[in-house]
Amino acid sequence: GIQVEQSPPDLILQEGANSTLRCNFSDSVNNLQWFHQNPWGQLINLFYIPSGTKQNGRLSATTVATERYSLLYISSSQTTDSGVYFCAVFVYKLSFGAGTTVTVRA
Amino acid sequence: ETGVTQSPTHLIKTRGQQVTLRCSSQSGHNTVSWYQQALGQGPQFIFQYYREEENGRGNFPPRFSGLQFPNYSSELNVNALELDDSALYLCASSPWTRAETQYFGPGTRLLVL
Repeated sequence: GIQVEQSPPDLILQEGANSTLRCNFSDSVNNLQWFHQNPWGQLINLFYIPSGTKQNGRLSATTVATERYSLLYISSSQTTDSGVYFCAVFVYKLSFGAGTTVTVRA
Repeated sequence: ETGVTQSPTHLIKTRGQQVTLRCSSQSGHNTVSWYQQALGQGPQFIFQYYREEENGRGNFPPRFSGLQFPNYSSELNVNALELDDSALYLCASSPWTRAETQYFGPGTRLLVL
């Protein structure tokens, strides 16, 4: 099956810092997605980004499908950005990476 | 919030028991998928239901079974619980025509002792 790898596994940020999370996937797909899981377990859809760049507030994402990777950018991080960020691809099911745990300190 | 609800929120069972978890899909969504998320890992696909039938299954044994009802709500049943079944169980709904765009419920945390 398709392999999804995320890096780094953990990230500790000071409030206000910027960061980049990476997602590599093994096969050609056109439906890369990013999710945020809050400390209570709720998974929230951030971006559906098969290719190109999208922005939503302080978050933005870029997918280069031909090179099989995607990047999630967090700018001016806030404590509410803490949680686990997952990327996932869909081939009859969602296949998730292991996630990047982000901790933003005040 | 996504409009997907799950019950119960938490559950404690003992090894060998059976458990039923419930999920109500978002309005207008006719497809329900279930995922198991062990501590520190990403969600793993269990199965998907569409038109009240299982439509795709991940690498889970037959003691994991499900149902979908005419109102598109769904149940996940796990028989003969094992300690490794302790996890967060997530339900996601989507329209069949956009099955890749799934919206998740808050999950049920199951602890097997």
